Amino acid sequence: SQTIHQWPATLVQPVGSPLSLECTVEGTSNPNLYWYRQAAGRGLQLLFYSVGIGQISSEVPQNLSASRPQDRQFILSSKKLLLSDSGFYLCAWETGGDSPLHFGNGTRLTVT
Amino acid sequence: QKEVEQNSGPLSVPEGAIASLNCTYSDRGSQSFFWYRQYSGKSPELIMSIYSNGDKEDGRFTAQLNKASQYVSLLIRDSQPSDSATYLCAVSRGIILTGGGNKLTFGTGTQLKVEL
Repeated sequence: SQTIHQWPATLVQPVGSPLSLECTVEGTSNPNLYWYRQAAGRGLQLLFYSVGIGQISSEVPQNLSASRPQDRQFILSSKKLLLSDSGFYLCAWETGGDSPLHFGNGTRLTVT
Repeated sequence: QKEVEQNSGPLSVPEGAIASLNCTYSDRGSQSFFWYRQYSGKSPELIMSIYSNGDKEDGRFTAQLNKASQYVSLLIRDSQPSDSATYLCAVSRGIILTGGGNKLTFGTGTQLKVEL
């Protein structure tokens, strides 16, 4: 069966510090991968998605970036965090077509 | 008008009752519909997928889709305190992201409270 691992679970970072969140999927090949953010009391916002190695599309321009160095690995990064980057970051995968998204456990980021 | 609208709640129902959660969407081209459950502090968990008009049942859960009226609902029978969570409705138009991929649009969720 497919599983998705996301780490770390929680993170507290000062403003201006770098960020790296990692996500890996097991049990499937060529998944479509996604990064979402959920701010407190708000809906899910799609940040980035990837349909293949090295292929990254951004939905929202901001100081975050994403990379997919391997088929089942997706990384979310920032060079300098802002207070507004605080939130619950979710990695998700699906296998294409009309298949549903499956989420990782998420990373709760607090920028202080 | 929001693309996917849900009443934020909270919706309170007594234990054992039927909880009815509703969702409307604006894009008539939407093809796939999903319900997710999200416990406080946790990630969303898929409960139901529905793709065609009518009802789809899975255990205590029934999803209902009416494309003509552009609404999708989730019924939870015999509600339990463990059903207390936020329920997210997600809608997809199909493969429209550049290069493929499936863009889901999420509602902001309805908070359900099942009371003893």
